[in-house]
Amino acid sequence: GDSVTQMEGPVTLSEEAFLTINCTYTATGYPSLFWYVQYPGEGLQLLLKATKADDKGSNKGFEATYRKETTSFHLEKGSVQVSDSAVYFCALTLPQGAQKLVFGQGTRLTINP
Amino acid sequence: DAGITQSPRHKVTETGTPVTLRCHQTENHRYMYWYRQDPGHGLRLIHYSYGVKDTDKGEVSDGYSVSRSKTEDFLLTLESATSSQTSVYFCAISESSEQYFGPGTRLTVT
Repeated sequence: GDSVTQMEGPVTLSEEAFLTINCTYTATGYPSLFWYVQYPGEGLQLLLKATKADDKGSNKGFEATYRKETTSFHLEKGSVQVSDSAVYFCALTLPQGAQKLVFGQGTRLTINP
Repeated sequence: DAGITQSPRHKVTETGTPVTLRCHQTENHRYMYWYRQDPGHGLRLIHYSYGVKDTDKGEVSDGYSVSRSKTEDFLLTLESATSSQTSVYFCAISESSEQYFGPGTRLTVT
């Protein structure tokens, strides 16, 4: 079945460090890929998405590129801030029917000043 | 922000009691979903709806039922709550590939 695997957390970085959170997927079709972010005590918010191979999604300084050849969608940010501390979820959906999301297990990110 | 509310936001209940969680939207979106969030598992789909009175099972549907009698409301019912159903429950809505999530309900079954 379809699945998403994220790098194990938690991840702790200093402010202004470079961030990479790895995400790989397995899917039977051609999925759309997403990164969601969850701040403490809140629901999930869509951070960015990509719908086809080689697309780059970007938002708030975060980027991720849809790599079909390596089935990956790694999240990157060049200089993290304390306010980026949150849990990040990689997810996929297949573009038909109810478009159910399949999530990775989440990666908790803490940024220290 | 998408207009999604969940009620209650917190609930503590005893094993064996019925529990109903409500999701309400003001966006008139066709699709609605219920997920549960547990450490190490991310979010897992319980049930979803693709229209009024049209629902289907997700990955972890055992022990749960749903109903959607109006476009704006999607109810999740635990007929007889068990401790394994202690979790945070999220509702989501969509009209396309993007889903928008509610604030969540923290349910504790003692």
